[in-house]
Amino acid sequence: KQEVTQIPAALSVPEGENLVLNCSFTDSAIYNLQWFRQDPGKGLTSLLLIQSSQREQTSGRLNASLDKSSGRSTLYIAASQPGDSATYLCAVKKTSYDKVIFGPGTSLSVIP
Amino acid sequence: DTGVSQDPRHKITKRGQNVTFRCDPISEHNRLYWYRQTLGQGPEFLTYFQNEAQLEKSRLLSDRFSAERPKGSFSTLEIQRTEQGDSAMYLCASSLDGIWGETQYFGPGTRLLVL
Repeated sequence: KQEVTQIPAALSVPEGENLVLNCSFTDSAIYNLQWFRQDPGKGLTSLLLIQSSQREQTSGRLNASLDKSSGRSTLYIAASQPGDSATYLCAVKKTSYDKVIFGPGTSLSVIP
Repeated sequence: DTGVSQDPRHKITKRGQNVTFRCDPISEHNRLYWYRQTLGQGPEFLTYFQNEAQLEKSRLLSDRFSAERPKGSFSTLEIQRTEQGDSAMYLCASSLDGIWGETQYFGPGTRLLVL
């Protein structure tokens, strides 16, 4: 059974710092991994999707890496801004026709 | 296209009542997912559709829950005889299965409170 964990559960950093969020999954046989952002009381916004054959994806100040063999993904945020404050969730999919399994999220607070 | 929409955004009901939520996916998205999310947790998979076919249903979904997606367009999620434990945010997402991967796009959610 696939399990997804995220460390840390919460993180507070001063504005301008670079930071790394971690995601671990127990079954390395995945189809893809997706990082989402969720603002309080809102739905989820997709940030990056990494296919199983890829090692990383980049979008602006965000970079996500994937190491299937170790069951890990990291989300790197460069030059953090107060507007980055949100909960960040990772989610994995075993096959194209399988359900998506989410981690519990990391709550990020960027202090001005 | 304005993205995935859900209606209502908030619902307060009394225990034992039935409630129905609606999700309108991004047009031409062939997949539609329902999730439930409680405070401090990630979304929990409930069920998903490929076009009008319901391909998977979570074991966590009791027989009080039913979902439909007639004609492969919008979807409804009905909860019968609601219980206080059903209080949560119900999220809908849609995606287009293709060779470039399957990015899921989420709606704003329906927050349910069962009194």
